[in-house]
Amino acid sequence: QVHLVESGGGVVQPGWSRGLSCAASGFIFSNFGMVWVRQAPGKGLEWVAFIRFDESLTYYADSVKGRFTISRDNSKNTLYLEMNSLRAEDTAVYYCARYGAAGGTYYFDYWGQGTLVTVSA
Amino acid sequence: QTVVTQETSFSVSPGGTVTLTCGLTSGSVSTSHSPSWYQQTPGQAPRTLVYSTTARSSGVPDRFSGSILGNKAALTITGAQADDESDYYCVLYMGSGIWVFGGGTKVTVL
Repeated sequence: QVHLVESGGGVVQPGWSRGLSCAASGFIFSNFGMVWVRQAPGKGLEWVAFIRFDESLTYYADSVKGRFTISRDNSKNTLYLEMNSLRAEDTAVYYCARYGAAGGTYYFDYWGQGTLVTVSA
Repeated sequence: QTVVTQETSFSVSPGGTVTLTCGLTSGSVSTSHSPSWYQQTPGQAPRTLVYSTTARSSGVPDRFSGSILGNKAALTITGAQADDESDYYCVLYMGSGIWVFGGGTKVTVL
C-alpha cells in the first residue's frame, strides 16, 4: 500500500536552512504529483508547495515563495523541501502528500505522518 | 485575498446529523474548485474523506457525504458516531496551481 515517510525535522535557528525528505513506496512515484502541507502548533492546515510528476512545474504558497524549494528524485522515490531563511512562523509539522487524480479533478489522497520543524533561537 | 471559510465548531448528538460548510469570502464555491475534505484527530495525519465535491475516499463510511449547498461546499455526517469527533478541513483549488485550506471545523459528539 501507499506509504509516505517524512524525515529531516528538528530545531533550527531563525535565518538558517533545513531540508526535509519524504520517502515514497507502494506506488509508481514518477506518475504522481506531490505536495507539502504544514500545520503550525494548534493551527489549521496550510498548503505549502506542489511539484508535477516530472518536476516540470512547481507552485508555492505566497508565505514561502522565494524561500522554499520543492524538488524530487524519481530514481530514489523521494520528495524534498529545501527551506531557507527560516522564520518563527515556519514552525510546523510538515506533511508530504500524494496529489491524486480522479475524473479530471485533483486532491491529496495519501498523507505521511509528518515531521516537526521548530524555528527557535 | 480570498479566504476559505469554515465554521469554527459544531456539536452533534450521537446518531444526529451535522453539515459543515466550506465557503469563500469572495464568490461562490463550485465543482471547479475541486472541493475535498479531510478528517484529523489530535496528533494524527489528516485522512482523506471526500474529493471531487462528492466522491468518498476508499474505506470511508457512507455516513459521510459531500455536496454543493448554495454557494458553498458541504460535508454532511449522517448518524454521527463517537469516533467522528475530530477536526475537519476543506481545501479548494484556486487556479494557477494554488490550493487554500479552510481554517477547520472542530466537531464534538455528545
